[in-house]
Amino acid sequence: DIQMTQSPSTLSASIGDRVTITCRASQSISDLVAWYQHKPGKAPKLLIYGTFSLESGVPSRFSGGGSGTEFTLTISSLQPDDLATYYCQQYTSFWTFGQGTRVEI
Amino acid sequence: QITLNESGPTLVKPTQTLTLTCTFSGFSLSTNGVGVGWIRQPPGKAMEWLGLIYWDDDTRYSPSLKTRLTITRDTSKAQVVLTMTNMDPVDTATYYCAHRSADLLLFDSWGQGTLVTVSS
Repeated sequence: DIQMTQSPSTLSASIGDRVTITCRASQSISDLVAWYQHKPGKAPKLLIYGTFSLESGVPSRFSGGGSGTEFTLTISSLQPDDLATYYCQQYTSFWTFGQGTRVEI
Repeated sequence: QITLNESGPTLVKPTQTLTLTCTFSGFSLSTNGVGVGWIRQPPGKAMEWLGLIYWDDDTRYSPSLKTRLTITRDTSKAQVVLTMTNMDPVDTATYYCAHRSADLLLFDSWGQGTLVTVSS
């Protein structure tokens, strides 16, 4: 199984801050990494797929990057609506998720 | 617009079998490459992929849960059913179904989830 280790588990930041969440894979994987935003009681929302590609309708302040075993999600200017938990996911071999990062404003 | 909705019992007893139904709209499970998957999240823990059924009725299961899971579909009703046997308190979780995109190869639309508690 490919494990995804996500950090930090909690991130406290101010409005307008640039924030970065990191995911490390247990082995080198292709660019099949996605990021989801999850708010309590709601369906998880796809933000980024294929490491870099922004899902339609997602604000451009979200961006993805990385390669090999290290991947990142960056929010360039944190907004109040971004309060949520974020998950990385690899889909090279089945589907596995990171532990999640809770973003606090 | 793709929508998915999970339904089923909120409480099951240990050793019982859980049956959850995913009712979807906005896509056809007969379309080449499309799938419907199940994912769960125990309280305070990471999400865990459980299994998937493809447009051609092929199924894939998490190796750690394979012996307990069955996923079937009723295309005419636009439903997918998850069956999990021998439920245990550690199976307490929110269970989600999700659309697996033929183009993106991942889960691009999810239901809101249903909380299942396993307790006597």
